[in-house]
Amino acid sequence: EIVLTQSPVTLSLSPGERATLSCRASQSVGSYLVWYQQKPGQAPRLLIYDASNRATGIPARFSGSGSGTDFTLTISSLEPEDFAVYYCHQRSDWPLTFGGGTKVEIK
Amino acid sequence: EVQLVESGGGLVQPGGSLRLSCAASGFTFSGYWMYWVRQAPGKGLMWVSAINTDGSDTNYADSVKGRLTITRDNAKNTLYLQMNSLRAEDTAVYYCARDTGRYFQHWGQGTLVIVSS
Repeated sequence: EIVLTQSPVTLSLSPGERATLSCRASQSVGSYLVWYQQKPGQAPRLLIYDASNRATGIPARFSGSGSGTDFTLTISSLEPEDFAVYYCHQRSDWPLTFGGGTKVEIK
Repeated sequence: EVQLVESGGGLVQPGGSLRLSCAASGFTFSGYWMYWVRQAPGKGLMWVSAINTDGSDTNYADSVKGRLTITRDNAKNTLYLQMNSLRAEDTAVYYCARDTGRYFQHWGQGTLVIVSS
C-alpha cells in the first residue's frame, strides 16, 4: 500500500500569506497525485489533478507541483474561504490512498 | 448538473447490516466508474470500494473485503453499498463519488453510518 504523508498537520497563517503544503509518497506515484479541499460539514472538492492541473473553476492562486514521491500544493495568497483541510490522494495503484490531511487555519 | 444523493445511513448494532444507496442524475451513469469513500468522525478520507461501468469488476479496501459489497443498477442510475457484519470502526460518513479515471470529479453530500450498541 502506498502511504501518503502530509506535512505540516496544521498550518497557521493570516489572509494574504502564502501557504505551502507537502505530500510525500512511500513509493513513486508518477504524476497520479490529486489534491482536494474540504470544509466542515462538506464533501471534498477537487482542486488539482495529475499533480499540477487545476480543476475547472479553481482560482489561479492554487497550484500544484511535483512528481514521483514529493508533491507540493501552494496557495499564493490566502483568501478567507481557503481556510480548510487539504488532502492529497494517489491514483497510481490499488488500494487508492489519501494523506492524513493538512489543516490551514487562521492565525 | 451532476447530482449524487446518498441515503440509507443510520444507527445499527455491531454485527448488523445496512444498505446504502447513491442516486445519480445529470450525467450518463452507465459511462462512469463509481466509488465509495468514507470518513470517520474527525478523521481523514479512506477509499472503500470501486465498481466499473457495467458492474463486472469491483475492488475493495482490505479492511472491508468480505463484509461490504458494491453493486450498481444502471437502469435505475443508482449505486449501492451492502454493508454486513458491521463493526464500530465502520462508523463514518459514506460518500459516493463519480470517477474520471484520474480523480473523483463529483461527490455526494454523504450519509452517516453509526455502528453502536
